[in-house]
Amino acid sequence: SQTIHQWPATLVQPVGSPLSLECTVEGTSNPNLYWYRQAAGRGLQLLFYSVGIGQISSEVPQNLSASRPQDRQFILSSKKLLLSDSGFYLCASPGRNSGNTIYFGEGSWLTVV
Amino acid sequence: GENVEQHPSTLSVQEGDSAVIKCTYSDSASNYFPWYKQELGKRPQLIIDIRSNVGEKKDQRIAVTLNKTAKHFSLHITETQPEDSAVYFCAASSPRGNNRLAFGKGNQVVVIP
Repeated sequence: SQTIHQWPATLVQPVGSPLSLECTVEGTSNPNLYWYRQAAGRGLQLLFYSVGIGQISSEVPQNLSASRPQDRQFILSSKKLLLSDSGFYLCASPGRNSGNTIYFGEGSWLTVV
Repeated sequence: GENVEQHPSTLSVQEGDSAVIKCTYSDSASNYFPWYKQELGKRPQLIIDIRSNVGEKKDQRIAVTLNKTAKHFSLHITETQPEDSAVYFCAASSPRGNNRLAFGKGNQVVVIP
């Protein structure tokens, strides 16, 4: 079965500092990877998705960027964090033979202070 | 693109009663409809899904029904228990949207002991 690893699990960063969140996927050959953000008490906002190495699509303009240096690695970054970047960041991927279903990693809690 | 809406935003039920959450979607070509449960502080987890060639699917106390004509689908939880308290997200995917899931904004279900 598929496993999605995210780290760090929790972090507190000052405004203006850089950010790097990492996601790695094991147990699946499906290359689609997604980054979602969930603000406190809100819904799931799709930030980026990738269909393969070096292929990134952004859903909304923002202060963040994503990269896919390896097939099973997806990185979310920022050069200078804003207060509004605080939230719960979730990496997701379809499971093996799951078709349209996606499964989420355990998430990374980011608080920008 | 696909637009998914959930109603009601918050639902309180007495333990043992049934809970029903309804979602509507806009794209008539949508053919896959999953439901996710998110407990406080945790990642969303898939609990049940249905494809457009089926009208109803049941898994123990949980069932999902689909009305393609009206473009809505519903989650039914029978004999609710306190551990059913969570946020529930519906989603839909369409070939016209590259089969990416479009999520609703979530329903907070509170089961009162």
